[in-house]
Amino acid sequence: ETGVTQTPRHLVMGMTNKKSLKCEQHLGHNAMYWYKQSAKKPLELMFVYNFKEQTENNSVPSRFSPECPNSSHLFLHLHTLQPEDSALYLCASSQGSPGESYEQYFGPGTRLTVT
Amino acid sequence: GQNIDQPTEMTATEGAIVQINCTYQTSGFNGLFWYQQHAGEAPTFLSYNVLDGLEEKGRFSSFLSRSKGYSYLLLKELQMKDSASYLCAARDSNYQLIWGAGTKLIIKP
Repeated sequence: ETGVTQTPRHLVMGMTNKKSLKCEQHLGHNAMYWYKQSAKKPLELMFVYNFKEQTENNSVPSRFSPECPNSSHLFLHLHTLQPEDSALYLCASSQGSPGESYEQYFGPGTRLTVT
Repeated sequence: GQNIDQPTEMTATEGAIVQINCTYQTSGFNGLFWYQQHAGEAPTFLSYNVLDGLEEKGRFSSFLSRSKGYSYLLLKELQMKDSASYLCAARDSNYQLIWGAGTKLIIKP
């Protein structure tokens, strides 16, 4: 248990569906991240929030929409996804500014399958 | 471009020692990280190196050579629970983490 929880753990959705992934951290951290992890590929950073403000958006398609209502919660809203979006979506948090933090704490991920 | 290279898969025997190598090419450098990820679980932080040399932490050690763009993770007295993927990541001059694809380590009895 890393102090970062994600729900749901598994999600199957059609290309026309709308769903949301939720992440919550209980560590008092100020920075939160969304990553995409595909088999045998490096982790891809999607979004970074620091004190609720989005500080990075790494050219992520608009069908992924993040939301950070406070420093403890992070959402990833999904709509009209493509099969290639099937992957493990990991949430992470860290203390201090994203550039200076030494350690990120990851959640267990949401395994997303787009049919 | 920025790149991290590490072997895709390695196999070792319980009780033995294994070294997982990582080479990196980044625009500037602000540290090298190793994470462990068991199948179906979250990655967990193992080590951070920013200066040349060896950092030892129990059975795990991490080495960095900045001039060579090279790091390795050394695991001693291997246990079955060490079977996992090991992720190498380098932080560039913009403090962005560049991740490798991970090395899957298989431990055999």
